[in-house]
Parts: sequence; C-alpha cells; structure tokens
Amino acid sequence: QTVVTQEPSLTVSPGGTVTLTCTSSTGAVTSGSYPNWFQQKPGQAPRPLIYSATKTHPWTPARFSGSLLGDKAALTLSGVQPEDEAEYFCLLYYGGRWVFGGGTHLTVL
Amino acid sequence: QVHLQESGPGLVRPSQTLPLTCTVSGGSIASGGHYWSWVRQRPGKGLEWIGYIYYSGTFYYNPSLKSRLSLSVDTSNNQLSLKLNSVTAADTAVYYCAREDRRGGYKFDSWGQGILVIVSS
Repeated sequence: QTVVTQEPSLTVSPGGTVTLTCTSSTGAVTSGSYPNWFQQKPGQAPRPLIYSATKTHPWTPARFSGSLLGDKAALTLSGVQPEDEAEYFCLLYYGGRWVFGGGTHLTVL
Repeated sequence: QVHLQESGPGLVRPSQTLPLTCTVSGGSIASGGHYWSWVRQRPGKGLEWIGYIYYSGTFYYNPSLKSRLSLSVDTSNNQLSLKLNSVTAADTAVYYCAREDRRGGYKFDSWGQGILVIVSS
C-alpha cells in the first residue's frame, strides 16, 4: 500500500517562513508525481494552491511556493499571515491513481 | 468559471448503495480535456481519492474501493455519478467532486462544496 507522509503539525510565527514536505513510501517524489498542494479550513472544501510541484493557480497568494527538495515535494510559505492557519494536504500521482498525504496542521502563533 | 455541485441522500442505511451526483455548470464535460474525480473526507480525517472518470467513460478507481465502486458520466445532463455499494459506517464522509485538468500540468482546479453522507441505521 502506497503511503504519502506529511508532518502532522507545524507551528510558525506571523511573518515567518515554514516549509511543509511530502514524501512517498515508494521512493523519490519527482516531477512525474505531479505534486499538488491544497489548503483546507474547517467546514470548507480544499482550495488548490500548487500543481505539478511548482506551478501556482491564478488565485494562489505569492507567499506560497512549491518545489522538489531532494526526494520530497515541498510547500513553502514566506511571510506567513494569520489566515494561513489551516490544514495542508499534498497529493501525488502514481501512474493512474492519486494518493493524498495525511495532512499538516499549520498553526500560526 | 466552472461550478461543481454534489447532491444525493444525506443518510444511507448500512449495506445499501450510496448514490451521488455531481452537476457541472459553466463548462461541458463532453468538451474533453478534463478528468473528473471524487474525493472523500471522513469526519476529522484526511482526504481520500476515490477515483476519476473521463467523459469517454475511461475510469480509474482507488484499489481499496474498486470492488464496491462505480463511476459514470452523463454528458447529456452534464453530470457525474458515483455509486458505492455495501456501505458501512466507515463510508460516512463528506464527498467532493473535483475537476482535474491535465493540460499544462496535472492540476485539480475546481471543487464542489461537498456533501455529507452519514451511513447509519
């Protein structure tokens, strides 16, 4: 069974920078994994932020960026705002099927 | 701008079939270029990809659900359908439909608001 792992929780100060990561139990995350990142707040649908590892949607705030860091996918928030407190999920492609990570709860404190 | 709206029963009895519909507006399913996924989220838990279907009928299911799952597309009504058989309490979740665009990268760019389905007698 394929498992995608994220940090369960992270805390960052307002104005700070934080990096969330996404790893695959099958090996390195690559561009062919087409990593997607989503933000979800309570009671809301997931909001797409990043796709294909580094690409942003038109509505993605500039402080969000995606990358491949070694064998992982990463989401970096620079200049964190209080409204960035949320759950963040990554999603990886495995040749037909998709698998979500367990999510990272980001606290801004 | 495309809009997705899930609909269906909010309560399903155990062992019965869970039927959901996703109505797409602002764009035609039959125009191609998009895959249509279903995703669910159990209460207090993470997201689980259920499967996707293309307008032509091509589909791919989550292996953990494929024995109970059926996805279909109705291009005349611009709707997607999900049927999950033999449900149990573990199928209680918010169910979302989402659009996946594979042009210029693989991206999930539109989501429905989700529908809560409770499996209970």
